[in-house]
Amino acid sequence: EAQVTQNPRYLITVTGKKLTVTCSQNMNHEYMSWYRQDPGLGLRQIYYSMNVEVTDKGDVPEGYKVSRKEKRNFPLILESPSPNQTSLYFCASSPTGVETQYFGPGTRLLVL
Amino acid sequence: QKEVEQDPGPLSVPEGAIVSLNCTYSNSAFQYFMWYRQYSRKGPELLMYTYSSGNKEDGRFTAQVDKSSKYISLFIRDSQPSDSATYLCAMSESGGSYIPTFGRGTSLIVHP
Repeated sequence: EAQVTQNPRYLITVTGKKLTVTCSQNMNHEYMSWYRQDPGLGLRQIYYSMNVEVTDKGDVPEGYKVSRKEKRNFPLILESPSPNQTSLYFCASSPTGVETQYFGPGTRLLVL
Repeated sequence: QKEVEQDPGPLSVPEGAIVSLNCTYSNSAFQYFMWYRQYSRKGPELLMYTYSSGNKEDGRFTAQVDKSSKYISLFIRDSQPSDSATYLCAMSESGGSYIPTFGRGTSLIVHP
């Protein structure tokens, strides 16, 4: 089944404790991206990658890192999480770019 | 002023009704217009995208873009209870790597 998977789905952590949210797609897509979804704000792009070793900032990259060492994987790293990073995070992939994105199921993060 | 405005609803309609969902925007450079459906606790699912102005139809769904008015619409014919979800519009200045701007979403409830 063609899909985007994220792990973990739910995560509670404390301020300052580094964490990684994994994202993997099995559709051989070149484009991958990360979003956060907050009430009243809609989806906002954090980072995107057009291909292996090619990443760039989205609208809200502060406090996040990404890497794209393999085509299928695009992990999101929070090196020192803060409470304002409490949010619902989505990974997406696409064969072309922003116009045809397939989203993962989401990761709900709570930073205490 | 937000770049993309979308009434959060909820919009409640009886089964079989024609539903009209709308977004307005301020950035005249937007060229790609996307509609997503998001069920509760799920990731967004792309319904369709259009490029520039005009209509696009896919089954019961029709997307319209009026660039002169900076207004886009999604029509759902013969609405079903399974259409109950939040509908997100999104736009970008181009495809590929351009950062998209999402609306906040409209909650639709189709009651039997």
